[in-house]
Amino acid sequence: AQSVTQLDSHVSVSEGTPVLLRCNYSSSYSPSLFWYVQHPNKGLQLLLKYTSAATLVKGINGFEAEFKKSETSFHLTKPSAHMSDAAEYFCVVSSPFSGNTGKLIFGQGTTLQVKP
Amino acid sequence: EAGVAQSPRYKIIEKRQSVAFWCNPISGHATLYWYQQILGQGPKLLIQFQNNGVVDDSQLPKDRFSAERLKGVDSTLKIQPAKLEDSAVYLCASSLDNLADSYEQYFGPGTRLTVT
Repeated sequence: AQSVTQLDSHVSVSEGTPVLLRCNYSSSYSPSLFWYVQHPNKGLQLLLKYTSAATLVKGINGFEAEFKKSETSFHLTKPSAHMSDAAEYFCVVSSPFSGNTGKLIFGQGTTLQVKP
Repeated sequence: EAGVAQSPRYKIIEKRQSVAFWCNPISGHATLYWYQQILGQGPKLLIQFQNNGVVDDSQLPKDRFSAERLKGVDSTLKIQPAKLEDSAVYLCASSLDNLADSYEQYFGPGTRLTVT
C-alpha cells in the first residue's frame, strides 16, 4: 500500500525567507512522487515530479524537491518565499508498475502562509 | 492548449436531491479521473476511466454515485440522492496515457457542491 504523510498542516514564513514543506512517503514499489499546488478557487497545478531520474528535482516558480530513499522523504523547498506562494500544497505518490493504474494518493495538504 | 473544463463551478442542493457534474478533458487524453476533495483534506479518487472503460471505481459509493464517459471523451458524475456528507469539491483530471511512468494529471477548476 502507498501513502504520504505531510508533517505540517500549516507553515508560516516571512516573505524572502526559505520555505520547507515536509513529506514522507510509503510505497512497496519504486514510487513516482509529485508536489501539487492549489491556489484558492483554482485548479491543482503540478509543481514538480520525481520519476526515478535525478533525485534533486527542479520545478516551476523556483521550487525544488529532493528524493531521499533512505529517509523515505520528498521535502519541498524554495530559497526565498514570495507573497504569491501562499497556497495549499499537496505531496502525492503514485506507483506505475505491477499492474497499478497510476492512482494518485494525496497527502492531507500543507497551508503555506507568507507574511509581508 | 485548452485545459480541463468543468461545469457548473458551484452548486447548492438540498439533501436527497440529485445533481450532475460535467467534465471535458484535454483533447487526446485517454484517461479521465474524478476526485472528491472534502474541505481540509487532499483529493480522493472516485473513479478512473481509460477511454470509455472503467479502470478503477473501488472508492465510488455506488449506491448513490454513478459516472459515465460515453464515446471516451466527456464525462458526467451523478449523485442521487445527495447526503450532507457529499458536500465537497469535485475535481476532474485527465492524462495522456496511464501507462506512462510519470502519470502526470491535469486538473480542472472543480465543482464546489454544497448540500443543505
